[in-house]
Amino acid sequence: QSALTQPASVSGSPGQSITISCTGTSSDVGSYNLVSWYQQHPGKAPKLMIYEVSKRPSGVSNRFSGSKSGNTASLTISGLQAEDEADYYCCSYAGSSLWVFGGGTKLTVL
Amino acid sequence: QVTLRESGPALVKPTQTLTLTCTFSGFSLSTSGMCVSWIRQPPGKALEWLARIDWDDDKYYSTSLKTRLTISKDTSKNQVVLTMTNMDPVDTATYYCARDYDSEPFDYWGQGTLVTVSS
Repeated sequence: QSALTQPASVSGSPGQSITISCTGTSSDVGSYNLVSWYQQHPGKAPKLMIYEVSKRPSGVSNRFSGSKSGNTASLTISGLQAEDEADYYCCSYAGSSLWVFGGGTKLTVL
Repeated sequence: QVTLRESGPALVKPTQTLTLTCTFSGFSLSTSGMCVSWIRQPPGKALEWLARIDWDDDKYYSTSLKTRLTISKDTSKNQVVLTMTNMDPVDTATYYCARDYDSEPFDYWGQGTLVTVSS
């Protein structure tokens, strides 16, 4: 149950698209289509943005999308906006009812 | 609407046992498929999943912490309790409880409670 690997930081200009990767193993990301993504603004609780790799909860902008290939999942944010600046965490089911989070990625909107 | 709120001591001493309570509303932990998890976040660091309790009272723990954790529920009070023994300064973190229902993991979170471990 080791943490998933994310880049420490990514950045982009308003209107651009960015992608955040989340690399696990064949025991978690690679075995289950149960990857979720969370947005966390400073001092706030995380917010679910994507679940089951690519599904969006009600109310989440369609600028957020998810995908997976092998042991790596990705979150793409298109049409970057200032309000998207936050920390992003991926999470994967790891079997036996266990969950593992990524190390987090700080998104800066330039 | 769904809400969760964590409560417990803000400061504990090393070696003490921490007891945190998650009080929720807007859903029932007796509903099939409903679960509540505890997740923590040390200051400036990443999220870490700790434990989960299911509607049928099944319990699951982080592999690295399972010897120190106990999770329980009181369905009538809409509460989930987490205890962590032998607290250490590295356990200083904001502790969150979060709902997990159907296919949407951690779809609702509490605001978190900061626990500092210091003598």
